[in-house]
Amino acid sequence: ILNVEQSPQSLHVQEGDSTNFTCSFPSSNFYALHWYRWETAKSPEALFVMTLNGDEKKKGRISATLNTKEGYSYLYIKGSQPEDSATYLCAFDPNDYKLSFGAGTTVTVRA
Amino acid sequence: DGGITQSPKYLFRKEGQNVTLSCEQNLNHDAMYWYRQDPGQGLRLIYYSQIVNDFQKGDIAEGYSVSREKKESFPLTVTSAQKNPTAFYLCASTGEGENYGYTFGSGTRLTVV
Repeated sequence: ILNVEQSPQSLHVQEGDSTNFTCSFPSSNFYALHWYRWETAKSPEALFVMTLNGDEKKKGRISATLNTKEGYSYLYIKGSQPEDSATYLCAFDPNDYKLSFGAGTTVTVRA
Repeated sequence: DGGITQSPKYLFRKEGQNVTLSCEQNLNHDAMYWYRQDPGQGLRLIYYSQIVNDFQKGDIAEGYSVSREKKESFPLTVTSAQKNPTAFYLCASTGEGENYGYTFGSGTRLTVV
């Protein structure tokens, strides 16, 4: 089982503030890094699939960066809104049909 | 709309019983997966299937069994040999190429009573 760590485990953000959190993963056998958003009582929803070192992807107010050499990715939320409250999962993909997931960062946005 | 359907949403099982969790997809995806979630842990892979009539054990396959007789369906049986079956179970599928990326079901919460 590959070691994928996310930090912090949870965070509380005031509405309008920006925040970021980390996913660290093995730097060998890298194929892709996935980010998912998982809202309570819903299915995890794909945010990004990142493959290239230095990649930066954006979806609305959410963006992510990737450093495959040192094995980390940051997810940023700009101007947090209550609808951003969710657990954000990252998953390491070594291209063998098996993703290894982190335990997630749970974001709570306070109005 | 295409997606993955898991049923039931909640399932209660008596100790010593086998139960089967359903997972159906209409996305025409070849690969399907079963994951288990426990509090404070990442999703852990139970079984996966890359093609019909073929499947492989994941990291925590003991006490579970699967079948893949149809492309659309990948049921998971939790057997009485699974020592701690109470958990949340997620099914996923993925296509290839431009369709690569997991699509998840909404999960089944299994409780042993």
